[in-house]
Amino acid sequence: EVQLVESGGGLVQPGGSLRLSCVVSGFTFDNYAMSWVRQAPGKGLEWVLGISGTGSLTYYADSVKGRFTISRDNLKNTLYLQMNSLRAEDTAIYYCAKAVGVGATNYFFDYWGQGALVTVSS
Amino acid sequence: DIQMTQSPSTLSASVGDGVTITCRASQSISNWLAWYQQKPGKAPKLLIYKASSLESGVPSRFSGGGSGTEFTLTISSLQPDDFATYYCQHYKSYPYSFGQGTKLEIK
Repeated sequence: EVQLVESGGGLVQPGGSLRLSCVVSGFTFDNYAMSWVRQAPGKGLEWVLGISGTGSLTYYADSVKGRFTISRDNLKNTLYLQMNSLRAEDTAIYYCAKAVGVGATNYFFDYWGQGALVTVSS
Repeated sequence: DIQMTQSPSTLSASVGDGVTITCRASQSISNWLAWYQQKPGKAPKLLIYKASSLESGVPSRFSGGGSGTEFTLTISSLQPDDFATYYCQHYKSYPYSFGQGTKLEIK
């Protein structure tokens, strides 16, 4: 059974940092690209970061470029999201998602974690 | 970047009705389009990929169509479990983007 479990969410002050983790099981982790998708309270879905199976390629939305970093540890079956210089508008549920598809950049998401809530507020 | 626009934003329907949701891309995305269903407090669930391919385990009353810039998600006979919010997503290239969502409500 495929499982993705996020952790590390919480309340942080503006300008602060937070690291989310997503531990996966039930599939060969390094065979698959992964992404983080967020959802602000009462709003729609926003793709924010992606990473290739090996970790050598990363992709960022403009809204987080220079502030957020995606990485993975394939030995630990874990995906990470390092968030720095957090802003109020980063408040959201952050989902990790397993990507499946073809080629280098054509991926949709067949499994999602339950989400981790990040609240940026003073 | 490619923008995705869904219509309508809200749709009211009854059990047994057939409904169609439309998703338009700001430029051609071939058939690199997925549809997801999301219920309150839950993660999204994949329904359709490559515009018209049904994900395993998804009921056959769901179908997708279109290519290029215009796409549809059709539910042929609504069941009580189908009342949720639906999102389209392009995956032609990074950065990916989602439509703003269509909330399907019980009439």
